[in-house]
Amino acid sequence: DIQMTQSPSSLSASVGDRVTVTCRASQSIGTYLNWYQQKPGKAPKLLIYAASSLESGVPSRFSGSGSGPDFTLTISSLQPEDFATYYCQQSYNTPWTFGQGTKVEVK
Amino acid sequence: QITLKESGPTLVKPTQTLTLTCTFSGFSLSTSGVGVGWIRQPPGKALEWLGLIYWDDDKRYSPSLKNRITITKDTSKNQVVLTMTNMDPVDTATYYCAHRHVTRTGVATFDYWGQGTLVTVSS
Repeated sequence: DIQMTQSPSSLSASVGDRVTVTCRASQSIGTYLNWYQQKPGKAPKLLIYAASSLESGVPSRFSGSGSGPDFTLTISSLQPEDFATYYCQQSYNTPWTFGQGTKVEVK
Repeated sequence: QITLKESGPTLVKPTQTLTLTCTFSGFSLSTSGVGVGWIRQPPGKALEWLGLIYWDDDKRYSPSLKNRITITKDTSKNQVVLTMTNMDPVDTATYYCAHRHVTRTGVATFDYWGQGTLVTVSS
């Protein structure tokens, strides 16, 4: 299985801050990397696919980059509705695997 | 508009078999490239991929659960069924089904998710 490691596990930030979450795969996965946002009690929501493509309807303050084993999710200016947990996920091969999540909390 | 919804028991006893149904609309599981996946999330923990069933009835399972889970589809009813045997308290989780979509880039994602259903394993 491909292991996905996110860092940090949690972070505290304020509205307006630039936030960066990283994800590392245990092997090269090209750009077969997706990012999801999950709020408490809700299903995950697709934000970014193929490492850097913004899903329709997702605000442009979200962006993704990277390839191979190392990826980044960036929120350029954190908004109140962005406090949530973020997961990376590889679809390079099965079993698809998720990172352990990064919780973005209010500072 | 694509929607999915999970249904099934909220409480199962240890050693019992869990059967969950994912009823969907807005797409056909007979369309090339389409799939439905199952994902679970123990309380306070991360997401775990369980398996996928494809439009051509090909199936992929998590190696750690391969001996316990089966995913089947009923295209005429727009349903996918997850069966998990020998349930244990560690299997307590919210179970999600999701629509597998291949994007224009060729990368597959879960672009639509059900609301999830919490299954508790306890005697």
